[in-house]
Amino acid sequence: ETGVTQSPTHLIKTRGQQVTLRCSSQSGHNTVSWYQQALGQGPQFIFQYYREEENGRGNFPPRFSGLQFPNYSSELNVNALELDDSALYLCASSPGINEQFFGPGTRLTVL
Amino acid sequence: ILNVEQSPQSLHVQEGDSTNFTCSFPSSNFYALHWYRWETAKSPEALFVMTLNGDEKKKGRISATLNTKEGYSYLYIKGSQPEDSATYLCAFPNYGGSQGNLIFGKGTKLSVKP
Repeated sequence: ETGVTQSPTHLIKTRGQQVTLRCSSQSGHNTVSWYQQALGQGPQFIFQYYREEENGRGNFPPRFSGLQFPNYSSELNVNALELDDSALYLCASSPGINEQFFGPGTRLTVL
Repeated sequence: ILNVEQSPQSLHVQEGDSTNFTCSFPSSNFYALHWYRWETAKSPEALFVMTLNGDEKKKGRISATLNTKEGYSYLYIKGSQPEDSATYLCAFPNYGGSQGNLIFGKGTKLSVKP
């Protein structure tokens, strides 16, 4: 049990809508990363937050944005949803380099 | 572009069989290699973080080796059990940008038949 939780477990949206996914990290973990896993692929890095500031970004458009809060929770927001955004979204919290603890993911379906 | 390759994509074995699979990664600018075990509907679980060439790590019936010069790692499972059925992911940290975001392979899906 990693202690990282995500909500909701599943979500269905329609194209063009906006979605917010939530993650609760372990206490003391100042870094949170978000990953997207599309069908048949490995997880792909979206972005990372360290002490409430974005600390790196993968190859994802600006309509993917995030927030990190002082209480070790964080959000991934996606605007103007597209069909290709259908995927499993994972968050991972980290106390430092070389350790990342993953949540179980949120399955997003865009119709 | 950093790329991590895993093979085979899937594996079906009988209970009691021993098995192994491969992760290939860029051999230049090596920092570490992570192995994760991921059961359906659960969180990916860290198995090993390997940092030194020639490293060999063991956790119960699962072990892993590392060759940083040629850019590969092997994961071995001795005497597979049905509870070993999962997807095994390897990941290579990219320190070029943020604090070590992970670049994952596509995984090897292991099914162990009783």
